Amino acid sequence: EPEVTQTPSHQVTQMGQEVILRCVPISNHLYFYWYRQILGQKVEFLVSFYNNEISEKSEIFDDQFSVERPDGSNFTLKIRSTKLEDSAMYFCASGVGGSSYEQYFGPGTRLTVT
Amino acid sequence: AQKVTQAQTEISVVEKEDVTLDCVYETRDTTYYLFWYKQPPSGELVFLIRRNSFDEQNEISGRYSWNFQKSTSSFNFTITASQVVDSAVYFCALSRISSGSARQLTFGSGTQLTVLP
Repeated sequence: EPEVTQTPSHQVTQMGQEVILRCVPISNHLYFYWYRQILGQKVEFLVSFYNNEISEKSEIFDDQFSVERPDGSNFTLKIRSTKLEDSAMYFCASGVGGSSYEQYFGPGTRLTVT
Repeated sequence: AQKVTQAQTEISVVEKEDVTLDCVYETRDTTYYLFWYKQPPSGELVFLIRRNSFDEQNEISGRYSWNFQKSTSSFNFTITASQVVDSAVYFCALSRISSGSARQLTFGSGTQLTVLP
């Protein structure tokens, strides 16, 4: 069964460094998302991406964040200058679109900023 | 604005007991989707069910059942004859129905279910 994959599973970085989190969505899906979950808290929406552009973004998704779909398979989240409060689990999700609203999540990348 | 409330932060039951997880939502939209996701200790988010706001029929899938009541803005999830493997955090979520691309999920804070042997 196709699934969303994410790499790395765990990333440790120093404050101020740039990180890129990578995702490979399910191949026939058209909608792509990033969510984050600070330890022990709810899952929060960051950004959605459709037709090669950002369709929605939350207040969390400020100028330090960017997303890209550099080729036909990868979907990346870049944090330009990490802060301690960026430490969280980052989930990528994808959906087919059309009348299907289900989103299928990857296993997540745990980002630790020290 | 949309909001999902899961008032039960933690529930503990003994195996084979039935357990109901509560979900209450707020939205100004007249049509929307509701979801349940499971997050086992391994951390991934597993899709369980999607429900349309215009379909109030309850749904059963094996030991799982869902009770959607639009009048009380609730979408509760019942696990019958719980098993240890059901131990996880369960999230309720809400999405507007959009002809465009605004389909992001608004999650509740989750309910940690522990099933004891």
